[in-house]
Amino acid sequence: DGGITQSPKYLFRKEGQNVTLSCEQNLNHDAMYWYRQDPGQGLRLIYYSQIVNDFQKGDIAEGYSVSREKKESFPLTVTSAQKNPTAFYLCASSTLFQGAGRTEAFFGQGTRLTVV
Amino acid sequence: QKEVEQNSGPLSVPEGAIASLNCTYSDRGSQSFFWYRQYSGKSPELIMSIYSNGDKEDGRFTAQLNKASQYVSLLIRDSQPSDSATYLCAVRAGGYSTLTFGKGTMLLVSP
Repeated sequence: DGGITQSPKYLFRKEGQNVTLSCEQNLNHDAMYWYRQDPGQGLRLIYYSQIVNDFQKGDIAEGYSVSREKKESFPLTVTSAQKNPTAFYLCASSTLFQGAGRTEAFFGQGTRLTVV
Repeated sequence: QKEVEQNSGPLSVPEGAIASLNCTYSDRGSQSFFWYRQYSGKSPELIMSIYSNGDKEDGRFTAQLNKASQYVSLLIRDSQPSDSATYLCAVRAGGYSTLTFGKGTMLLVSP
């Protein structure tokens, strides 16, 4: 089955600890994205990547880091510098936009991160 | 700053009625428009995409786009209790751009 797999589903972080969220896709999509969702809020873009070994900051990149060593994988690290990391984290992927056409983004099942 | 605006709701409709969800966007260069459905505690699921002015129908769902008014809507006919969810509007501008999401409209369909 083609799709996007995020793991783990639930993650607990202690104060001052770095944690890494996994995102893997087998849709052969070039672009991958990380979003954060807080209760009652929309999706806010953390980082995105359109090609291997390259990525750009989104609207709320502070306290987060990413890597894109393989087309299929785009892990997100929540560092200790992120002061309020408790949220629902969503990974998505899409084809690259090339004029009008099918550029829908599809989401993984999400990772719920809680600071304990 | 690109903005996508939606009424947060909740929008309450009785079972069998038509639900109308609306979205406005600020970037006139936007070219792709999407509606996602998100059940509580779950990830967003794509239900409609529209790229040109006019209507696009898929089963009980119709997306409507008016680029001159910078307005996109989603109609759900014969609403069912299982349609109760938050509906997110997303917009992508031209070029190699990212999606900008609205905050979503909560829809409640009562039996």
